[in-house]
Order: sequence, then structure tokens, then C-alpha cells
Amino acid sequence: DSGVTQTPKHLITATGQRVTLRCSPRSGDLSVYWYQQSLDQGLQFLIQYYNGEERAKGNILERFSAQQFPDLHSELNLSSLELGDSALYFCASSVGIGTSTGELFFGEGSRLTVL
Amino acid sequence: EDQVTQSPEALRLQEGESSSLNCSYTVSGLRGLFWYRQDPGKGPEFLFTLYSAGEEKEKERLKATLTKKESFLHITAPKPEDSATYLCAVRGYGGSQGNLIFGKGTKLSVKP
Repeated sequence: DSGVTQTPKHLITATGQRVTLRCSPRSGDLSVYWYQQSLDQGLQFLIQYYNGEERAKGNILERFSAQQFPDLHSELNLSSLELGDSALYFCASSVGIGTSTGELFFGEGSRLTVL
Repeated sequence: EDQVTQSPEALRLQEGESSSLNCSYTVSGLRGLFWYRQDPGKGPEFLFTLYSAGEEKEKERLKATLTKKESFLHITAPKPEDSATYLCAVRGYGGSQGNLIFGKGTKLSVKP
């Protein structure tokens, strides 16, 4: 158990809809990262927050947004969903802004299926 | 653009049959190369960090090595419980801080 909690574990929705994925980082971790994993693309970095502030942005679509709240939990909002958004969405956390050791603690993911 | 390529995509071994997984990378100044293990339905789990060419790290039956252009994950006398997808990632000076670039992974199956 990594200590990172993600909900929901599974989500099935229709095209055009909006969903919110939730992540609680490990106790004491200030950074939260969101990754998307699909069969053809592998793990793709979406966005990072550190102590409530956006820190780094990767391949995140404009239809997607995220935030980190004062209690350090984070939410990833996906809107106007398309079939291609079906994927596993992982949240990870680390203590600092970046991690010199590369050690991120990943949750078990939220599997999104768009029909 | 920072890039990571892993080979082979899949590898089947018999228990006890040693082998190596490859991770080739291009990065604008390497800050670190990382290996993760991912079991089905789970998130990736950190294994090793390597910082410079010539460095080696070991953990049980796994040994990771690093050159200027690639890394190898050597698996000695594997057991069925070593079956998983092994992911390689890099972080460079050119990318955003915290932005690990992952390869697509090598899916390892070890048969008893």
C-alpha cells in the first residue's frame, strides 16, 4: 500500500460528459502528480501541483483541469469526454517540489471508460 | 525532446532463466534514470534511481546498470513472482521539474 488513495476505482460514462477523479496523497507529501496511462501511449505526465500551486504541466488537454486543495487532496476534472479519453488515470505524490530520487508514490488508479 | 524506448515489449522466461531488459533514452542533460515495477491493476512501484554512467544498483534478483545512452535491468534466476511490467523513466534538465518521461514498459512473464 503506497498510502495514495484514488477514487473512484472504476468509472463508466458517455461521450460529452464530465467526470471528477479524486486523489489523497500520502501523509506529509506536498506534491501531487497526475498521469494518464493508455495501451498505446504508456504513462503520460499531465500536471503537477505543489502545496496548492500548479508547478508543471505536461500533455494535458484543455478539456482537462486539476486543482489541489488546502488539505492537499487533488481533483482532476475531465470534460466533454471523448472515446479516446478512456484510460487509467494515476495520481502520485512526493514530499518535495521535485523528487531528486525519482521516487513517486502511485495510487492504484482510476479506470475511466467512455462509451 | 526527451524520449525513452524500452525493449523488448514482452519477454517470457522460464523460472531460473536469467535475462536483461533494455531502456534507451535521449534527454537534454540526465538528472536521473528510474526503474519502476507495475503489477496488473496496480500503480507503478519505485525500484531504483541511477544518476550517472557506470552506476549500478541491486535489489534481490534485480540489478540496474546505466551507460550514457541506455540502461539495463538484469534479472538473475527469476521467479514467477517477478512477473510484472517494468517501466523505465528519465528526468532531464530540459523538462519541467517533476516531469518524469516514461517508456511503454516491458511485460515480463516468468513461468514455473
